Amino acid sequence: GNSVTQMEGPVTLSEEAFLTINCTYTATGYPSLFWYVQYPGEGLQLLLKATKADDKGSNKGFEATYRKETTSFHLEKGSVQVSDSAVYFCALSDRSGGYNKLIFGAGTRLAVHP
Amino acid sequence: EAQVTQNPRYLITVTGKKLTVTCSQNMNHEYMSWYRQDPGLGLRQIYYSMNVEVTDKGDVPEGYKVSRKEKRNFPLILESPSPNQTSLYFCASSLRGPLTSGSYNEQFFGPGTRLTVL
Repeated sequence: GNSVTQMEGPVTLSEEAFLTINCTYTATGYPSLFWYVQYPGEGLQLLLKATKADDKGSNKGFEATYRKETTSFHLEKGSVQVSDSAVYFCALSDRSGGYNKLIFGAGTRLAVHP
Repeated sequence: EAQVTQNPRYLITVTGKKLTVTCSQNMNHEYMSWYRQDPGLGLRQIYYSMNVEVTDKGDVPEGYKVSRKEKRNFPLILESPSPNQTSLYFCASSLRGPLTSGSYNEQFFGPGTRLTVL
């Protein structure tokens, strides 16, 4: 079935460091891809999305490019801040089973230190 | 303010004692869903509802029930909780199902309910 694999965390960085969180997927057809962020004590929020191959999603300095050839959607940010500390989830849309749903990866915890 | 609310936020209970976690949204969304979040597994869908009186199983429905009598409310019911249902639960809603007619309908998540079953 369809699935999402993320790099295991936690990822610990100093402020202003470059961030990459890897995400690869397995899917039939052409899913849409998403990154969600979960700040401490809160629910998930959509960070960015890409609906077709080669699309680049971007928001709040984060970017991810939908790479069909490598089935990847890696999240990047050029200079992280302490306020970016959160858990990040990669997800894909799935039409299998006759309905639309989201399939999430396991999540990657990011800790940014001053 | 547009939001999804859940109650309670924290709950400790004992095996076999029926409980209900409420979920309410004020955005007139048709689609609502329940997920559980467990370490190393991400979020897994328990049940979803496409509209009033229309519900269906997600990936991990065993031990759970839901109802959708009103558009805004989607309670999650555990008739006889067991320790393996200890988890963090999220309710979510969107205007339509997540992907309709090729366009994505963003899901809005509640703040979560941390449940411990002893």
